[in-house]
Amino acid sequence: ETGVTQTPRHLVMGMTNKKSLKCEQHLGHNAMYWYKQSAKKPLELMFVYSLEERVENNSVPSRFSPECPNSSHLFLHLHTLQPEDSALYLCASSQFSNYGYTFGSGTRLTVV
Amino acid sequence: GIQVEQSPPDLILQEGANSTLRCNFSDSVNNLQWFHQNPWGQLINLFYIPSGTKQNGRLSATTVATERYSLLYISSSQTTDSGVYFCAVDRLNSNYQLIWGAGTKLIIKP
Repeated sequence: ETGVTQTPRHLVMGMTNKKSLKCEQHLGHNAMYWYKQSAKKPLELMFVYSLEERVENNSVPSRFSPECPNSSHLFLHLHTLQPEDSALYLCASSQFSNYGYTFGSGTRLTVV
Repeated sequence: GIQVEQSPPDLILQEGANSTLRCNFSDSVNNLQWFHQNPWGQLINLFYIPSGTKQNGRLSATTVATERYSLLYISSSQTTDSGVYFCAVDRLNSNYQLIWGAGTKLIIKP
């Protein structure tokens, strides 16, 4: 247990489905991140929230929609995904900008 | 933008061997971190090392910022060291953005 919990661990969804990924941290960190990790590619930063405000949005398609209701929780809402969106989605938190990075175990997403 | 290159891309060693992983970066950075991702996907921060040398058990890291590289040393490798090792840097004046290398995949054989 790293202090960052992600659910579900595995998710299979159809292209017309709507699902959400959840991330929770109780480390007192003030920044939370969503990353996408595809095979044979470096980690891609998707979204960053600092003190519940979105500070980075790296040209992510609108079919991915983040939500940060408080400093401990982060969601990634998914709708009308494509098969190429299949990947490992990782949540992380940090104390300040990039310091004390802690990752969750990830959600392995398969879009069929 | 900054390029982060890691070498070697793959490394297969026998248990007990020592190894050195390298991370080169193309421009000045604010900070550098090493991470280990185990075969089940869990990423763990190993070192936060903008410069100098740090040690943690069998692992140590050295960053020479002026020459734009960092080295991760693993001594007396164990099978649990297997996985992918990532180097990530953050740029000056760019909060929250980490630039990641492609990783070194390490396999330790018993």
